[in-house]
Amino acid sequence: GNSVTQMEGPVTLSEEAFLTINCTYTATGYPSLFWYVQYPGEGLQLLLKATKADDKGSNKGFEATYRKETTSFHLEKGSVQVSDSAVYFCALILNTDKLIFGTGTRLQVFP
Amino acid sequence: GAGVSQSPSNKVTEKGKDVELRCDPISGHTALYWYRQRLGQGLEFLIYFQGNSAPDKSGLPSDRFSAERTGESVSTLTIQRTQQEDSAVYLCASRRAVTTYEQYFGPGTRLTVT
Repeated sequence: GNSVTQMEGPVTLSEEAFLTINCTYTATGYPSLFWYVQYPGEGLQLLLKATKADDKGSNKGFEATYRKETTSFHLEKGSVQVSDSAVYFCALILNTDKLIFGTGTRLQVFP
Repeated sequence: GAGVSQSPSNKVTEKGKDVELRCDPISGHTALYWYRQRLGQGLEFLIYFQGNSAPDKSGLPSDRFSAERTGESVSTLTIQRTQQEDSAVYLCASRRAVTTYEQYFGPGTRLTVT
C-alpha cells in the first residue's frame, strides 16, 4: 500500500543550526509530495510541494527535493530559527485524492 | 471567512454519547476531507466528498462514524456511542477543484471522551 515514513522526533536544535528531517515513501504510481507544518495552536499549513521527480519545493528557507531513485523527500533548512519550532508532516497524494501523512516530527529550536 | 472553520474547537463528552462536529469549507471549494489525529500519531484519512459524487468512506473506522455534506457547503461528522479511543483532534480540509492539489486545513476540533 501507499505510506509515508518520517523520522521520529523530537528534533532539538540550537538557533542557526542546519536542519534535516528525513522522509521516505512507498507508493503505487507517481505521487505528489508535500511537507505540511503545524505551529503551536494553529492548523496545518502547506509548507512546500513537489509534483514530479527531481522537482525541488522551497518556501521560507526550507527545501525538499523529490528523489524517485531513493523514494525520499527530505526537508532541509540551512539555519533554523526559534519561530520554526513546530510539528512537520510529510505527505503524499495520488490522483488528487486523499493525503497520506507520516506521523509527524516535532522540531524544537532553542536560542 | 477566508479559511476553513470548524466547530466546536473543543468538545468533552461522556462515553456512549453521540457528538456532531461541523466544518465550513472555503467558499467555492468542491472537495472536502475529514481526518483524525490521535495523540502522538499522524493524520488518518476518514472521508472525502467531491462535488455531487458518492463520498469515499474508506477511512471511517467503524459504522459509528458517519458524515454528510450538502452540495459544496457545510459538512458534519457524527460519531455515535462515543468510545474513549475516539478521543482525537478531528481536522477538516477543503480543496478548490479536482485539478489542484493543495488542501486547506481548519484548526480542528479536539474531542475528549471521558
